[in-house]
Amino acid sequence: GAGVSQSPSNKVTEKGKDVELRCDPISGHTALYWYRQSLGQGLEFLIYFQGNSAPDKSGLPSDRFSAERTGGSVSTLTIQRTQQEDSAVYLCASSSPQTPSTDTQYFGPGTRLTVL
Amino acid sequence: GIQVEQSPPDLILQEGANSTLRCNFSDSVNNLQWFHQNPWGQLINLFYIPSGTKQNGRLSATTVATERYSLLYISSSQTTDSGVYFCAVAGGYQKVTFGIGTKLQVIP
Repeated sequence: GAGVSQSPSNKVTEKGKDVELRCDPISGHTALYWYRQSLGQGLEFLIYFQGNSAPDKSGLPSDRFSAERTGGSVSTLTIQRTQQEDSAVYLCASSSPQTPSTDTQYFGPGTRLTVL
Repeated sequence: GIQVEQSPPDLILQEGANSTLRCNFSDSVNNLQWFHQNPWGQLINLFYIPSGTKQNGRLSATTVATERYSLLYISSSQTTDSGVYFCAVAGGYQKVTFGIGTKLQVIP
């Protein structure tokens, strides 16, 4: 597609439920990033994919968080047993670098997650 | 990891005024980007500028990699420039790290 898309745009869930967030990167982009942004805060790195592998998972805040990417394209971020502190906007970005530190990232519109 | 500091944290401008935003970073980088997050939350890449100077309309940016800082210039500001400006850096195989941003409000 023309840009990075994410779904759903908004998700309200109850504490303890599992949620899945989806990211469709720009076609042909091999790198995919997940970030989250809590209210009034900067962006916090979660995980980075190069193709289907995740060389850097250092940002995942706990073992309740996991992500996968299949076919070098769509990625899913799963949060199990959600907690209220998980409430944030989850942003996905893609780029087409050879290494994680080069080239330009393009961001999707984000998924606003609210845990009640 | 690399530390990123942005200044000022908040900025209010009269429409038509110019401004300079600063990004300091703690280590060598080979990736530096400036982003604008509009009031609706959308992040837009402004510049990919690990070194040198670039210009795009009323915006320009300069990165002095040897002195570990980058500057974003906004000239003749407009109300549509309002939002948060983020600097993001990475070096080698490290993850991209964002600063906490500069919140800009341009008033008519």
